[in-house]
Amino acid sequence: AQSVTQLGSHVSVSEGALVLLRCNYSSSVPPYLFWYVQYPNQGLQLLLKYTSAATLVKGINGFEAEFKKSETSFHLTKPSAHMSDAAEYFCAVSKAAGNKLTFGGGTRVLVKP
Amino acid sequence: DTAVSQTPKYLVTQMGNDKSIKCEQNLGHDTMYWYKQDSKKFLKIMFSYNNKELIINETVPNRFSPKSPDKAHLNLHINSLELGDSAVYFCASSQESPSWTSGTWDEQFFGPGTRLTVL
Repeated sequence: AQSVTQLGSHVSVSEGALVLLRCNYSSSVPPYLFWYVQYPNQGLQLLLKYTSAATLVKGINGFEAEFKKSETSFHLTKPSAHMSDAAEYFCAVSKAAGNKLTFGGGTRVLVKP
Repeated sequence: DTAVSQTPKYLVTQMGNDKSIKCEQNLGHDTMYWYKQDSKKFLKIMFSYNNKELIINETVPNRFSPKSPDKAHLNLHINSLELGDSAVYFCASSQESPSWTSGTWDEQFFGPGTRLTVL
């Protein structure tokens, strides 16, 4: 069975500050890992994904995440927050392509001016 | 062009009614999904279909019945709606087989969601 834990349901950052969203996973097989973003009243949009290639993954909007097998983590970072980054962020794991996504509980990011 | 579309966007109905939500994808994908997002934003898989065949059914009540008339469509019919069914329902699609030219073979594309409110 797979599971995903996102530490912190809410994160507040100042504009221009570092954004760090934590994600830990458990999986019995090598996982595929994803970060999705959900803007208010919208669907989910893929930010980035890890599928056993490079451990440092760069995504859209300046986000990146690093896969650390020893820590079973896939934390999401962005060096400098922008007001438009205010959204809900979901970490997810799947076993393979075409397989179900198991989501974490989500982290709401609030960006202060 | 919208990749994954859902109708309706909003659905308000009384307890006990039967309703359907429709989903269509124009990406040529083989696999489609239904996810439920509850009031606390928790997202959970409900069903998955591959080429019109059910491959994932996550212990969803029998009142929920997905139907896939073709691989581009996956509809969700809900009988005898209950208050607890109020949620946002997301449809998604992905390719089953790797497509190295597009590089998106493992990505699920989500629809905009249908907000269901049961009164």
